[in-house]
Amino acid sequence: DAGVIQSPRHEVTEMGQEVTLRCKPISGHNSLFWYRQTMMRGLELLIYFNNNVPIDDSGMPEDRFSAKMPNASFSTLKIQPSEPRDSAVYFCASTPSPKEPQHFGDGTRLSIL
Amino acid sequence: GNSVTQMEGPVTLSEEAFLTINCTYTATGYPSLFWYVQYPGEGLQLLLKATKADDKGSNKGFEATYRKETTSFHLEKGSVQVSDSAVYFCALETNAGKSTFGDGTTLTVKP
Repeated sequence: DAGVIQSPRHEVTEMGQEVTLRCKPISGHNSLFWYRQTMMRGLELLIYFNNNVPIDDSGMPEDRFSAKMPNASFSTLKIQPSEPRDSAVYFCASTPSPKEPQHFGDGTRLSIL
Repeated sequence: GNSVTQMEGPVTLSEEAFLTINCTYTATGYPSLFWYVQYPGEGLQLLLKATKADDKGSNKGFEATYRKETTSFHLEKGSVQVSDSAVYFCALETNAGKSTFGDGTTLTVKP
C-alpha cells in the first residue's frame, strides 16, 4: 500500500516567495494533519481536517499560512509570503478514524533564505 | 486539556543495555496510547500502541503497558541495538481525533 505522499521532499527559496507543500493521504483515511518540526519547538500541530473540513487551525502561526483540502485525496499547505523563520520540516499525516495511529509522510524540508 | 510528558533526553546507552523511557499523560476520557519512532530524515512511524487499561503493546522487542492508575505508558526494551538509535515520541489520542505528542526523547546506542 502506498503511504502518505508529500511533495516536494526539499524546497529552498528566498524570503518573500510563495511556498506550496502538497500531501496525498492514504486512501480511505478520513483525517489529515499538518505538522511542523524544528529543533527549537519540536513537533507542532498546525491544522487538521476531518472529511475534508478544517476542524482545528489554532496551531497555524499567522495569516501567512493557509491550508486547503479540496478533496479526500489531496491537501496543500501554503505560506505567502515566506520568511526565514518558516524554515522547518513539514509533515503530513493521516488516520482512518479517531483513536487510531497516524501515518506520516516523509516530510518536506523547507529552507527560506 | 490533554498533555503528554516524557523523559527528557538525550539518552545514551551501550549496546545490549536495558532501556526505559518514561511517559505520563493527562487526558479526559479513555485515550489510546502510542509510541512512535523517528529515524533521521524520515517521518514518525508507529512503534506500538495500547487502547485500554492494562493492555501491553509490543513490537521489535519494545514493550509498553497502559497503566491507568499511574497514567503512564513507559517504553522498555531489554537489550538495545545500535539500530535502535532514533527519536521516540509518546502520544495519546481521544475520540476527538486529535493526537497529543510528547516532546520526543533522542536515544543513541553506542557499540
